[in-house]
Amino acid sequence: DGGITQSPKYLFRKEGQNVTLSCEQNLNHDAMYWYRQDPGQGLRLIYYSQIVNDFQKGDIAEGYSVSREKKESFPLTVTSAQKNPTAFYLCASSIAGALYEQYFGPGTRLTVT
Amino acid sequence: AQRVTQPEKLLSVFKGAPVELKCNYSYSGSPELFWYVQYSRQRLQLLLRHISRESIKGFTADLNKGETSFHLKKPFAQEEDSAMYYCALSTGANNLFFGTGTRLTVIP
Repeated sequence: DGGITQSPKYLFRKEGQNVTLSCEQNLNHDAMYWYRQDPGQGLRLIYYSQIVNDFQKGDIAEGYSVSREKKESFPLTVTSAQKNPTAFYLCASSIAGALYEQYFGPGTRLTVT
Repeated sequence: AQRVTQPEKLLSVFKGAPVELKCNYSYSGSPELFWYVQYSRQRLQLLLRHISRESIKGFTADLNKGETSFHLKKPFAQEEDSAMYYCALSTGANNLFFGTGTRLTVIP
């Protein structure tokens, strides 16, 4: 099941530790996105990137950081500054100019205790 | 501010019955609306977009700007329609605003 992959599926961390979530795509998509999903809430955009070496904050970027050194990869770091990091994180990608047709990864469930 | 509301968290219908999943939005400009679906053990994927005005898997959705709605409809529900459905709004910027989702269960 290629396309866009996220690893690991489940991740556990102690409070105060930074953690990096992986997102890789082989769809040759220029744009990539990170969303957070909490129970009873829709997907909320954390960061997005339209092109390599460029990224923009989404609605809830505080406590998160990203990098886009390669077209295929868009890792998300959940820092210790994120007050409520336990959530389900979804990565997506799309061709430039077609953000509506986003291809989603399987997600990573992060639990911080 | 942009907002997408899906008032029903859960919706159950019998097989063969009509189904309507509600979606309302708030946006002062010209919106683009979409429905995404997530079947069990599968990834979230685009179902349809209002601009294409097409029927996908028997589902249709009409954008009603007067009522600011984009309800998803199907005349005869099938068991395989059971899934999580998300309504999403694009304002033209590089952002999709998602609703909280409705879990549809089609009872055999």
